Amino acid sequence: SQQGEEDPQALSIQEGENATMNCSYKTSINNLQWYRQNSGRGLVHLILIRSNEREKHSGRLRVTLDTSKKSSSLLITASRAADTASYFCATNSGNTPLVFGKGTRLSVIA
Amino acid sequence: SAVISQKPSRDICQRGTSLTIQCQVDSQVTMMFWYRQQPGQSLTLIATANQGSEATYESGFVIDKFPISRPNLTFSTLTVSNMSPEDSSIYLCSERLAGAYNEQFFGPGTRLTVL
Repeated sequence: SQQGEEDPQALSIQEGENATMNCSYKTSINNLQWYRQNSGRGLVHLILIRSNEREKHSGRLRVTLDTSKKSSSLLITASRAADTASYFCATNSGNTPLVFGKGTRLSVIA
Repeated sequence: SAVISQKPSRDICQRGTSLTIQCQVDSQVTMMFWYRQQPGQSLTLIATANQGSEATYESGFVIDKFPISRPNLTFSTLTVSNMSPEDSSIYLCSERLAGAYNEQFFGPGTRLTVL
């Protein structure tokens, strides 16, 4: 079963705007990872944030983690049409496999 | 990260038949997993592929339906047995090194359609 939930389930924005997706989870974690998936293809790893980190950046991506609220957010700044995809968060603790949230479908309109 | 390849990339199969999906990783990794993604859904873990021993299955998945092999550290197979249309999904192989803070990577997936 899924560890957590992403919201919104779907998001539609104009090119150049920022997109924010949220993820909540239920149990304690070691790390949280964000992935992108284009049209049912393989998953692309975006970023990993450790449980003792609060914020992490990678290019136009900014991820925050609040372990007290068991939540994370992914911000994509200055979005592009090529950012159109589904975004998933996933968590694990120790050597357990990743457990995925339900994902957010992002549409960026040119 | 290791490069992960899967074969076949897609297949269309008849009900009642079986399909074996191969996963090859280009470096020795500790942990390999198989996930299923049903249409429009998120990823669900099928099992952890253990090298040289039986796979560890998640609730709802059984060895008779999804036999898994992992003869060495770089190769694993997943068989979808006695298929029905409900098995139509994307099947993804995944790997990572042991440890609490290692990234987990995914293969390109195998898109299976069962008629």
